[in-house]
Amino acid sequence: EVQLVESGGGLEQPGGSLRLSCAASGFKLSMYAMSWVRQAPGKGLEGVAVIGASGSNTYYADSVKGRFIISRDNSKNTLYLQMNSLRAEDMGIYYCARPLRGLITHAFDMWGQGTVVTVSS
Amino acid sequence: EIVMTQSPVTLSVSPGERATLSCRASQSVSSNLAWYQQRPGQAPRLLIYGASTRATGIPGRFSGSGSGTEFTLTISSLQSEDFAVYFCHQYNDWFTFGGGTQVDIK
Repeated sequence: EVQLVESGGGLEQPGGSLRLSCAASGFKLSMYAMSWVRQAPGKGLEGVAVIGASGSNTYYADSVKGRFIISRDNSKNTLYLQMNSLRAEDMGIYYCARPLRGLITHAFDMWGQGTVVTVSS
Repeated sequence: EIVMTQSPVTLSVSPGERATLSCRASQSVSSNLAWYQQRPGQAPRLLIYGASTRATGIPGRFSGSGSGTEFTLTISSLQSEDFAVYFCHQYNDWFTFGGGTQVDIK
């Protein structure tokens, strides 16, 4: 089955760190740029980070620049998001998403089920 | 950053009626605009990309139009499964989303 499955979310204190994973199955992750998108509770969607297919190019939203790192291991068909210096405003559901035609920016035709990040003391 | 503004915030429609949702960009995004449907507890589902191309498996009652800064999603005859939140998404410059339109049963 072609799917994306996120993991690694949970409860963390402000200032703490979490590492999210997104395991791809049914297709070769290496052929696609990939993104992380988040959704604060009861809110809309926000683009967080993008990584090119080879991993050479990465892009971040201003709100997470310098704190989050997107990476990938194509040999494991897995995408990652290292989240450091967590803030309350980082709370929400984090989705990994695959763009059409593998391009850096395009519509997302595949989404994971999401993993929940809670930041609270 | 390109700001996407959706209207209305909530739209109440009877089953079988037409629904028209709007999305405006703060600057031109050409035709690099997508629409998604999100049901409670689910991930977004791609409906339309390139402003007017239906994604694979999307019923013909969904249609998109527009270019530049003004876009419309039309659902020609609402079915029970269409009551959900709809987001627009520009991917012309980085990627940003609208705040969403909740389509409710009237």
